[in-house]
Amino acid sequence: QKEVEQNSGPLSVPEGAIASLNCTYSDRGSQSFFWYRQYSGKSPELIMSIYSNGDKEDGRFTAQLNKASQYVSLLIRDSQPSDSATYLCAVNEDNNNDMRFGAGTRLTVKP
Amino acid sequence: KAGVTQTPRYLIKTRGQQVTLSCSPISGHRSVSWYQQTPGQGLQFLFEYFSETQRNKGNFPGRFSGRQFSNSRSEMNVSTLELGDSALYLCASRKGGTNTGELFFGEGSRLTVL
Repeated sequence: QKEVEQNSGPLSVPEGAIASLNCTYSDRGSQSFFWYRQYSGKSPELIMSIYSNGDKEDGRFTAQLNKASQYVSLLIRDSQPSDSATYLCAVNEDNNNDMRFGAGTRLTVKP
Repeated sequence: KAGVTQTPRYLIKTRGQQVTLSCSPISGHRSVSWYQQTPGQGLQFLFEYFSETQRNKGNFPGRFSGRQFSNSRSEMNVSTLELGDSALYLCASRKGGTNTGELFFGEGSRLTVL
């Protein structure tokens, strides 16, 4: 069974701090990686995609990928209460057509 | 540009009944995936369709089935409903062709089985 693992949390950070979310995956053939945010009662929405080793920055969000360690992370700088949500890590293999999701990490940003 | 549209948004069924859920993808998207989301299991992959063909299937019993039409709209059906089928069913679309594109989700269909 190919797995995508995340700490379920909850992760609590104060407003303005950096939130660090981590994800590991088991399939070395994985080629594309995504972070989704899901507010309570809503559907997941895409935040970041990353395909190559290294960092990718978009505003307050930075995704980091290390294929050798099979590890992908999401950093949220200057965290805001509106960032409070569940963050889902998703992984897509090269020769498969389904995207596998982790169980999600619930983040709470306290004012 | 309209997003992914799912109908119905909410429905209540009883055990043994069957249900059909509908999904209209974003215009131009040819791939449609279905997921089941429950508090205990998270997002579980059901199946993915591209050009009316099922390309991949998750580990769900045969009671769960789907299809895709020539206009890329998709339906999923669950027969002989069980209490454990109560969940949020999410449809997601992407352009298709390759499998590396981002998925865009609809608002979901929340099914309650009594």
